[in-house]
Amino acid sequence: NAGVTQTPKFQVLKTGQSMTLQCAQDMNHNSMYWYRQDPGMGLRLIYYSASEGTTDKGEVPNGYNVSRLNKREFSLRLESAAPSQTSVYFCASSEGVPDTQYFGPGTRLTVL
Amino acid sequence: KQEVTQIPAALSVPEGENLVLNCSFTDSAIYNLQWFRQDPGKGLTSLLLIQSSQREQTSGRLNASLDKSSGRSTLYIAASQPGDSATYLCAVRRGNQGGKLIFGQGTELSVKP
Repeated sequence: NAGVTQTPKFQVLKTGQSMTLQCAQDMNHNSMYWYRQDPGMGLRLIYYSASEGTTDKGEVPNGYNVSRLNKREFSLRLESAAPSQTSVYFCASSEGVPDTQYFGPGTRLTVL
Repeated sequence: KQEVTQIPAALSVPEGENLVLNCSFTDSAIYNLQWFRQDPGKGLTSLLLIQSSQREQTSGRLNASLDKSSGRSTLYIAASQPGDSATYLCAVRRGNQGGKLIFGQGTELSVKP
């Protein structure tokens, strides 16, 4: 039981490049989330998915797209990376009551 | 708009001390409140979750309380140990916003041997 896994762990991009961050959970959770964590700003929700096939915007969705391909996987795509997207990205999942969120180890992204 | 504040931003205590971390929120219409621990370079680990109808939750040396009317929660750590050194974050789930959490910026705790 691995919980929530994220790939890659580290990534360096040049401005304008694209990439997809992958997230998978093996806890059979319906809800999944993408957050970014920045110094002085805390964690902020980018997108979330309440169930397979549904997605919704969070606080900071601009510049990102997401795909909930199946119940296990929730990916985050940067179509044209910008230096402002340099951050640590966390994926999380949760289910029902009490709706505790379980987090992955994070992806550290630098955009030059 | 819901805002979550944690004060102080950093705290240093000697080993063995009992301590309290504070979390305040501006909108009392919350569904639940969670306390997380984050070690440097790592993800978040959930410590305690308090439902809006509850006043406190306990796990081992940790006790979290919730006072919705005053918009406050506290995390009490008994007999602190160096292994408790980490950043502690609180987060509130808004009542009508699915599972979305609003996080505070955390308190960085250092427990000195």
